Amino acid sequence: QKEVEQNSGPLSVPEGAIASLNCTYSDRGSQSFFWYRQYSGKSPELIMSIYSNGDKEDGRFTAQLNKASQYVSLLIRDSQPSDSATYLCAVMFSGGYNKLIFGAGTRLAVHP
Amino acid sequence: DTGVSQNPRHKITKRGQNVTFRCDPISEHNRLYWYRQTLGQGPEFLTYFQNEAQLEKSRLLSDRFSAERPKGSFSTLEIQRTEQGDSAMYLCASSRSQGNEQFFGPGTRLTVL
Repeated sequence: QKEVEQNSGPLSVPEGAIASLNCTYSDRGSQSFFWYRQYSGKSPELIMSIYSNGDKEDGRFTAQLNKASQYVSLLIRDSQPSDSATYLCAVMFSGGYNKLIFGAGTRLAVHP
Repeated sequence: DTGVSQNPRHKITKRGQNVTFRCDPISEHNRLYWYRQTLGQGPEFLTYFQNEAQLEKSRLLSDRFSAERPKGSFSTLEIQRTEQGDSAMYLCASSRSQGNEQFFGPGTRLTVL
């Protein structure tokens, strides 16, 4: 069974710190990986996509991918209280007609 | 660039009733997806359309669920004879044919009493 695992949290960090969110996946053939942010009661919002091993930076966000270890992470620098949300890791598994398999999400709380 | 829209945003129904939801994808996106999300879980794939063709349907989707995308534009998701276990947020997403990034609509929250 194809799975995506995340620590449910909550992950609590002080304002200005780096938040590190982690995700592992079961299908070694997966090629596309995504991070979504979801505020309570709202729908998921795409914040990062990554397809190649290594780091990809976009503003305060950095996604890291290690296909050999089947591991993807999201770093949020200079965390702000407005970053408090649930972060969903999503994987597009091979042979799956582009459907996304989501983890259950990690709840991040940034406190002033 | 108008995003994905969904209607209604909220639906309360009694057990046994039929409900229908609508999704309008981003205009140039020919791929459309339906997901369902319950509290504390990530979205769960339901079905996928490329243009008007329904190419994949989750085995978790019972025969009470049906989806259509008749002209390759908007899509509808119908649930017949609703059950309390159908209570969830129903999410629609769309993507370009040449890209993998999926963008979600605001969702329809269904409550079955």
